[in-house]
Amino acid sequence: QLQLQESGPGLVKPSETLSVTCNVSGGFISSTGYYWGWIRQTPGKGREWIASVYYRGNKEYNPSLKSRVTISADTSKNQFSLNLRSVTAADTGIYYCVRHGKDHGDYTFDYWGQGTLITVSS
Amino acid sequence: QSALTQPASVSGSPGQSITISCTGTSSDVGNYNYVSWYQQHPGKAPKLIIYEVIYRPSGVSNRFSGSKSGNTASLTISGLQSEDEGDYFCCSYTDSSTLEVVFGGGTKVTVL
Repeated sequence: QLQLQESGPGLVKPSETLSVTCNVSGGFISSTGYYWGWIRQTPGKGREWIASVYYRGNKEYNPSLKSRVTISADTSKNQFSLNLRSVTAADTGIYYCVRHGKDHGDYTFDYWGQGTLITVSS
Repeated sequence: QSALTQPASVSGSPGQSITISCTGTSSDVGNYNYVSWYQQHPGKAPKLIIYEVIYRPSGVSNRFSGSKSGNTASLTISGLQSEDEGDYFCCSYTDSSTLEVVFGGGTKVTVL
């Protein structure tokens, strides 16, 4: 059974970089046909897709966050990561890692992690 | 502020059927069949229950069904059970230049 597990710092200071990692077990991020991504849920905007990565390096970003986000995948560790720069209180929320299909428009998120709470505060 | 509009809450008695709506626009729900529904219990990971408007993943109860008419997608839960209590939200691909995928705000289902 595929399982995704997020890890993160819990607390990030304003203007710093938020870094979260998703460890995948029970399957491989190098499996063809799937993207691996991040979704967050914040009090201000609700649920929001952030970015996705394919194991071969293809990346997709939410245009509204693209200037601050970097997503990467490490097939040797079977994990993928997200960096969000210059955070503010508006970035406080629960960050989920997810899997979705590779076809254009296929944002069916069939596996989710439990989520990790990130609070931006000094 | 969610792009897709859902009712905040829906309730029903055990055994009844309820329907949750998810209203978008011609840029998302109205013109694309990449509409999915998720169930989330408190503190748990969301679970996919409907994808591409009408399809159920393996292992999901056939009490859950999806449909779409115009810009509105719907999730129906028949034979309501206590374990169905939770939050349900929809999701759709969008061809908006500023987004790729949009979500509903979620609907709290209560079994009376």
